Amino acid sequence: NAGVTQTPKFQVLKTGQSMTLQCAQDMNHEYMSWYRQDPGMGLRLIHYSVGAGITDQGEVPNGYNVSRSTTEDFPLRLLSAAPSQTSVYFCASNQRPYYGYTFGSGTRLTVV
Amino acid sequence: EDKVVQSPLSLVVHEGDTVTLNCSYEVTNFRSLLWYKQEKKAPTFLFMLTSSGIEKKSGRLSSILDKKELFSILNITATQTGDSAVYLCAVPSSRLTFGEGTQLTVNP
Repeated sequence: NAGVTQTPKFQVLKTGQSMTLQCAQDMNHEYMSWYRQDPGMGLRLIHYSVGAGITDQGEVPNGYNVSRSTTEDFPLRLLSAAPSQTSVYFCASNQRPYYGYTFGSGTRLTVV
Repeated sequence: EDKVVQSPLSLVVHEGDTVTLNCSYEVTNFRSLLWYKQEKKAPTFLFMLTSSGIEKKSGRLSSILDKKELFSILNITATQTGDSAVYLCAVPSSRLTFGEGTQLTVNP
């Protein structure tokens, strides 16, 4: 059972480039979320999804898009990368609300 | 809007000390509170608390919830250097609302 898989683990982008961070889970979880974590700060919610075809914004959605065409996948798109998006990104999933989430191993993104 | 506040933000202790980490929350439709430990990687799940006054325990770690006063504490006894990490408190619904975390450093 792979759990939550994030790719890539590391990425360097130039300002203005776009890219997609991949997140896949094989646990048939309905709830999936994207967080970013900056040094000295907690995790901040970017976008989340409560099921295929349903997404919503979190605390810091600007500059990011998501879609949820399948239960398994929840990709995060950076439209035009900016240095302020340098961060570690975590994807998490959960079958039921109010219970513990399973996190991916993270993607460390640097925008230069 | 749901809110989770942790204190202290940073704590430095010596091996063998006992520490208490605090988490207060303001959420609508509270159902549970989660504690995570994060080292230099993804957060790992520690405890889920749903009922007031019932202590959850795992080895040297324990946690309790007070639903009346809207807080939880995480205790670590006989700390070890391997306990050095960020401890995160979170309240789940369709998404997780995290506190800022407590950075615990245990020195030999």
